[in-house]
Amino acid sequence: GAVVSQHPSWVICKSGTSVKIECRSLDFQATTMFWYRQFPKQSLMLMATSNEGSKATYEQGVEKDKFLINHASLTLSTLTVTSAHPEDSSFYICSAREDGRFWEQYFGPGTRLTVT
Amino acid sequence: EDQVTQSPEALRLQEGESSSLNCSYTVSGLRGLFWYRQDPGKGPEFLFTLYSAGEEKEKERLKATLTKKESFLHITAPKPEDSATYLCAVCRGSYIPTFGRGTSLIVHP
Repeated sequence: GAVVSQHPSWVICKSGTSVKIECRSLDFQATTMFWYRQFPKQSLMLMATSNEGSKATYEQGVEKDKFLINHASLTLSTLTVTSAHPEDSSFYICSAREDGRFWEQYFGPGTRLTVT
Repeated sequence: EDQVTQSPEALRLQEGESSSLNCSYTVSGLRGLFWYRQDPGKGPEFLFTLYSAGEEKEKERLKATLTKKESFLHITAPKPEDSATYLCAVCRGSYIPTFGRGTSLIVHP
């Protein structure tokens, strides 16, 4: 149980284009989802927290107009990187949490984004 | 500001050579400390949650312990398949974890 999937697992896009990453909870309802970014040999950096049906809360320094997060259902959250640039190349990981189970956070397999 | 420091940054062991990974933290009002395993190119896999000083948890060759300032992940008689990056994270009342940079473990056969 508690499986989280991400799609795509990797994507290459050209500078200036937008790319959407999906995060799904497969066997539970995720009232809260988190989006992280991880650079090589670095820690997971939280980008934003989203609750189903409401606007995402972004961490300081994360541009909300660039990283659009939508959590439209209890099993799906999307991260859209708009007007991507090479410095946006990174490993993006989502995680999901069930309502009331505050200590249990399940991570997706990650999406490798390369912007050329 | 919450801080999580993991050491060593990298560790190489021979198969069967036991060792410990350290996670030291400074956080007011710790509600939980987590250990995750992350394989290259994959998302973190949950291992343990520790809630209070003195608590210990075990899973196969891994044992996690917690004091008021640090946590240890003990690896007993490791095998090559234990090779991975081990991440530590702490949570306050916001239930949002702050992660350390991880310890990269390589176990040679």
